[in-house]
Amino acid sequence: AQSVSQHNHHVILSEAASLELGCNYSYGGTVNLFWYVQYPGQHLQLLLKYFSGDPLVKGIKGFEAEFIKSKFSFNLRKPSVQWSDTAEYFCALLEGSQGNLIFGKGTKLSVKP
Amino acid sequence: DGGITQSPKYLFRKEGQNVTLSCEQNLNHDAMYWYRQDPGQGLRLIYYSQIVNDFQKGDIAEGYSVSREKKESFPLTVTSAQKNPTAFYLCASSIAGRGFLETQYFGPGTRLLVL
Repeated sequence: AQSVSQHNHHVILSEAASLELGCNYSYGGTVNLFWYVQYPGQHLQLLLKYFSGDPLVKGIKGFEAEFIKSKFSFNLRKPSVQWSDTAEYFCALLEGSQGNLIFGKGTKLSVKP
Repeated sequence: DGGITQSPKYLFRKEGQNVTLSCEQNLNHDAMYWYRQDPGQGLRLIYYSQIVNDFQKGDIAEGYSVSREKKESFPLTVTSAQKNPTAFYLCASSIAGRGFLETQYFGPGTRLLVL
């Protein structure tokens, strides 16, 4: 069965630290991959997505993610985090056969000012 | 302003009561979805609809019901059969339905609490 794993439940960083949130998926077919972000008290927003083409995807607010097919990974990165990046981040996979959107359990990011 | 609206923001349910959560979109999207979010669980699909007057069960449909009488609206009813309804409920929509690999966009959510 398809699944998405996010390695870290809670990550705590200081401002200006670099960020990498892990995401691995389990599915052998065509995939589209997403990172969504949920800021405190706000709704789920699309951060970036990979459909095809360049495996390095740039999103909003300085985030990027790299799709590595051989590793079944789609890790999210940001070179220097800000306090305003404090949020919960969800990796999701849209699998090709049925169109199911499958979410990971989320990673909470806390950035200390 | 295009988007997805959900109401109410908070909803309280008494034992044995059915409650209905509203979801409206003005994005002209064909497909709409309901997810349930529990802490540490990510999002799980309850129901989805690819077109008016049609809907399908998701992974956790038991205790829930939906209708899709209008393209813009996809209300979710949490019935008394749902034994653990306390959760955050998210509505989403996409241009086309499952199988078309479209991005889903989410509403602000409704938090349901049981009294």
